[in-house]
Amino acid sequence: KAGVTQTPRYLIKTRGQQVTLSCSPISGHRSVSWYQQTPGQGLQFLFEYFSETQRNKGNFPGRFSGRQFSNSRSEMNVSTLELGDSALYLCASGLAGGAYNEQFFGPGTRLTVL
Amino acid sequence: QKEVEQNSGPLSVPEGAIASLNCTYSDRGSQSFFWYRQYSGKSPELIMSIYSNGDKEDGRFTAQLNKASQYVSLLIRDSQPSDSATYLCAVGRDYKLSFGAGTTVTVRA
Repeated sequence: KAGVTQTPRYLIKTRGQQVTLSCSPISGHRSVSWYQQTPGQGLQFLFEYFSETQRNKGNFPGRFSGRQFSNSRSEMNVSTLELGDSALYLCASGLAGGAYNEQFFGPGTRLTVL
Repeated sequence: QKEVEQNSGPLSVPEGAIASLNCTYSDRGSQSFFWYRQYSGKSPELIMSIYSNGDKEDGRFTAQLNKASQYVSLLIRDSQPSDSATYLCAVGRDYKLSFGAGTTVTVRA
């Protein structure tokens, strides 16, 4: 069974630009979550989607947004990039998305903002 | 107070020894508890999940949960050099995982 895939794997942008990251969950998984990982802040929750509905959102500015499609694939968008947005962005998928939802991570997208 | 706190590392253990990792959490409503392993330059890999008080064993790994004390631990028995990684404690509630900062374990031959 294929794992979670994320594209692109690496991205270099300049301040003020916007970026869209893509995530394809494990086949059959309907829950997709996004996390930001930085050396200073560690792993921080961005948002979670299940059946195209956002069920929870972390403490990030409105520049960070996401969506989920009917095939469970998800995208996240960051507008007006800032230097501090440089991070590893991780997508995780889970089966049912309930309280006991095991989440499996993709390889991540490394975003560098210059 | 941080939502999830892990014992500060790094933790160095000899090959074949037991590595003990600890984690405390602040939200009493937390519902699910996980341990992830992250190798340098890689993404986190789920190694254990635990939902009720007590012990759960899987191979060389044992997770322990005490909800009254808001405490989760992970024991790695017969540590191998391949266990050298950062171990992340994650606590789940309302479709969100909160992670600790991680404990880096080095297994020396």
